[in-house]
Amino acid sequence: GDSVTQMEGPVTLSEEAFLTINCTYTATGYPSLFWYVQYPGEGLQLLLKATKADDKGSNKGFEATYRKETTSFHLEKGSVQVSDSAVYFCALSDNDYKLSFGAGTTVTVRA
Amino acid sequence: KAGVTQTPRYLIKTRGQQVTLSCSPISGHRSVSWYQQTPGQGLQFLFEYFSETQRNKGNFPGRFSGRQFSNSRSEMNVSTLELGDSALYLCASSLGRGRAVNEQFFGPGTRLTVL
Repeated sequence: GDSVTQMEGPVTLSEEAFLTINCTYTATGYPSLFWYVQYPGEGLQLLLKATKADDKGSNKGFEATYRKETTSFHLEKGSVQVSDSAVYFCALSDNDYKLSFGAGTTVTVRA
Repeated sequence: KAGVTQTPRYLIKTRGQQVTLSCSPISGHRSVSWYQQTPGQGLQFLFEYFSETQRNKGNFPGRFSGRQFSNSRSEMNVSTLELGDSALYLCASSLGRGRAVNEQFFGPGTRLTVL
């Protein structure tokens, strides 16, 4: 079945550092890929998405490229801020009306 | 546009009781999905409804059930509560068809505690 594997955290960074969170997936079809972010006490917010190979999703300085050859969708941000501290989830949907999520990566950015 | 709303936000129940959670999707969205989030199991899919029909169901016991109304609002019910049902229950809505079929928007969740 479909599955998502993302790097385990927690990840602690200084402000303005570069952030990468690795995500790889297994799917039988051609899934859509997503990154969601969860702030403490809140639900999930869609951060970015990509629906086909080589698509690049971007939002709020975050980027991720759908790499079919490596089945990856790594999240990157060039310069993080304290406000980026949150839990990040990689997810896929294989046209079966559900999202399959990775375990989540906790990111803490220190001033 | 108002986002996904879930009520109540917090619930405390005892083992053996039942509970009903409610979700109102974004206006115009016809699909509602439910997920359970726990520290041990992470985010797990419960079920998805579109136009009052369940299109997919996760691997949960029959104690977990749901329904969707003609106005796209949805409820999920958990009967005979167990301690392990303590979790954050998240509702998500989407258009449910077309290119954005998989793009889901989440509510703030209902925190259920079973004592």
